Amino acid sequence: KAGVTQTPRYLIKTRGQQVTLSCSPISGHRSVSWYQQTPGQGLQFLFEYFSETQRNKGNFPGRFSGRQFSNSRSEMNVSTLELGDSALYLCASSLSSVGGVETQYFGPGTRLLVL
Amino acid sequence: AQTVTQSQPEMSVQEAETVTLSCTYDTSESDYYLFWYKQPPSRQMILVIRQEAYKQQNATENRFSVNFQKAAKSFSLKISDSQLGDAAMYFCAHTTNAGKSTFGDGTTLTVKP
Repeated sequence: KAGVTQTPRYLIKTRGQQVTLSCSPISGHRSVSWYQQTPGQGLQFLFEYFSETQRNKGNFPGRFSGRQFSNSRSEMNVSTLELGDSALYLCASSLSSVGGVETQYFGPGTRLLVL
Repeated sequence: AQTVTQSQPEMSVQEAETVTLSCTYDTSESDYYLFWYKQPPSRQMILVIRQEAYKQQNATENRFSVNFQKAAKSFSLKISDSQLGDAAMYFCAHTTNAGKSTFGDGTTLTVKP
């Protein structure tokens, strides 16, 4: 099976712009989670989508949003970019079966640089 | 809210030796899952080992094993017969039954030849 893929792998934006990141989960996986990784804050949970619905949400401002499509692919959007949004954004997918927690499989990440 | 603490920002081990990485957590959940992930310099996060909190037996995966102390809220990772390929940043994570994950700040492991 192909792993989790994320596009683009690298991105440079300027303050005030918006950006959309994409994540394709492993075939058959229905849950997609997004994380922000920075040297100072570590790995921070953004949100999780399951069956096109946001199921869990971290403590990020409303500028960060996401969605999931019927084929489980997910997009994350950041509006009005700030310098502090520069980070590695990781996507993880899991089967998310009922009654348990499945292992998350991570993508390679999208490295966003905000100038 | 859950917190995960990895008190060792950096660790080093000689090749073929054993090293233990520490992780403590705080949770209000009665049922949860614990994970160790490895992130090599290539940046792809890989699962090392997982432990269901309701299981008393410590999980093992080949050279990797955990020491899970539920009462103490401790979840350490032991790597035996360390190899150069084990060099990476290791993250401890707590996941609730609802699927929400909290990660520690990571421990950078260096393996010396």
